[in-house]
Amino acid sequence: AQRVTQPEKLLSVFKGAPVELKCNYSYSGSPELFWYVQYSRQRLQLLLRHISRESIKGFTADLNKGETSFHLKKPFAQEEDSAMYYCALLTGANNLFFGTGTRLTVIP
Amino acid sequence: EPEVTQTPSHQVTQMGQEVILRCVPISNHLYFYWYRQILGQKVEFLVSFYNNEISEKSEIFDDQFSVERPDGSNFTLKIRSTKLEDSAMYFCASSADRGTNEKLFFGSGTQLSVL
Repeated sequence: AQRVTQPEKLLSVFKGAPVELKCNYSYSGSPELFWYVQYSRQRLQLLLRHISRESIKGFTADLNKGETSFHLKKPFAQEEDSAMYYCALLTGANNLFFGTGTRLTVIP
Repeated sequence: EPEVTQTPSHQVTQMGQEVILRCVPISNHLYFYWYRQILGQKVEFLVSFYNNEISEKSEIFDDQFSVERPDGSNFTLKIRSTKLEDSAMYFCASSADRGTNEKLFFGSGTQLSVL
């Protein structure tokens, strides 16, 4: 069975500080991982996916199969980054399996 | 950017009543999904729908739940006899295709409160 673990429910950092949102997964197949973000009063939206190796809004995430992790990082947090962040795993049935989420607060 | 639309934004119902949550997916999308999020918990997959039939469903999606695409534009989730534990935010999503290359677009959700 699959599992996505986001150990921190809440994370606060100061503006300009580095931020890392942790995500660990457990999956018997080849993992496909995503980060979704939900800003206040807005819908869930895709932030980035590991296969794209992209940087969106300064965020990056590297899939580490040895550590079964997909941590989300940004070198300098901005106030507008404050949101709920969800790590998600695409299952073999092509459905998303979400972690419990981390609420990031960037303190000005 | 095109959007998935959900109505109503908030639905209050009595336990045992039937509710229908409505979604209008993005017009050229072919795959449709319902997810839910109980307050304080994670977003959970309920069901996926393609070619007018259910593709996959989770354990949560029992006989009390059904989905329908009645008119080629709407995609509905019906809960036949609501229970208190059905109170949650229900998200509809759609995608043009399946797999990692296709982005899932989410609606803004319907908050269902069962009293």
